[in-house]
Amino acid sequence: TQLLEQSPQFLSIQEGENLTVYCNSSSVFSSLQWYRQEPGEGPVLLVTVVTGGEVKKLKRLTFQFGDARKDSSLHITAAQPGDTGLYLCAGAGNRDDKIIFGKGTRLHILP
Amino acid sequence: EAQVTQNPRYLITVTGKKLTVTCSQNMNHEYMSWYRQDPGLGLRQIYYSMNVEVTDKGDVPEGYKVSRKEKRNFPLILESPSPNQTSLYFCASSHLGDSYYGYTFGSGTRLTVV
Repeated sequence: TQLLEQSPQFLSIQEGENLTVYCNSSSVFSSLQWYRQEPGEGPVLLVTVVTGGEVKKLKRLTFQFGDARKDSSLHITAAQPGDTGLYLCAGAGNRDDKIIFGKGTRLHILP
Repeated sequence: EAQVTQNPRYLITVTGKKLTVTCSQNMNHEYMSWYRQDPGLGLRQIYYSMNVEVTDKGDVPEGYKVSRKEKRNFPLILESPSPNQTSLYFCASSHLGDSYYGYTFGSGTRLTVV
């Protein structure tokens, strides 16, 4: 059974600090996605990475897919209160597989 | 605007009273799916559909039914709701074969069964 473990589960930091959250598995994934979910809303897709070692940037957010395609990280530079939310990683085993979701990292940025 | 629309957003009902949560997408997506989200358990898939008249069980299908009579609609039916079905429900969709790239989610339905 494929599982995605996210760490930390909770993170509360001051505005302006940097942070990294992790998504790990013992399985290989063909693609890995990151979503952000705000309270009372559905998850919104931020990025998809598909190549081992791939790095994608979205403003202050940097996403990396591990070389072995078993893990990923999300780094936020100079966090802002608007970054507050639940960050979910999700992976697909192959093109036709359903997506497996991690349980998420709940991030709170203090002003 | 491309979107997945769920209704209602909030629903309080009593045990045993049949209810339907609607889901509609305007992106001509073949794949649609229902999830429930509970604290500590994350997103768990209830049912999914790969096209019209094709539905399949997910990880937690007990107590739920779905139908896919039209491509755009994928309603979730609770024939006899129970308190353990109190949860936050999401509908999601994608083009078949593009799930690889991610889903579009609806805004959610918060269901309370008393």
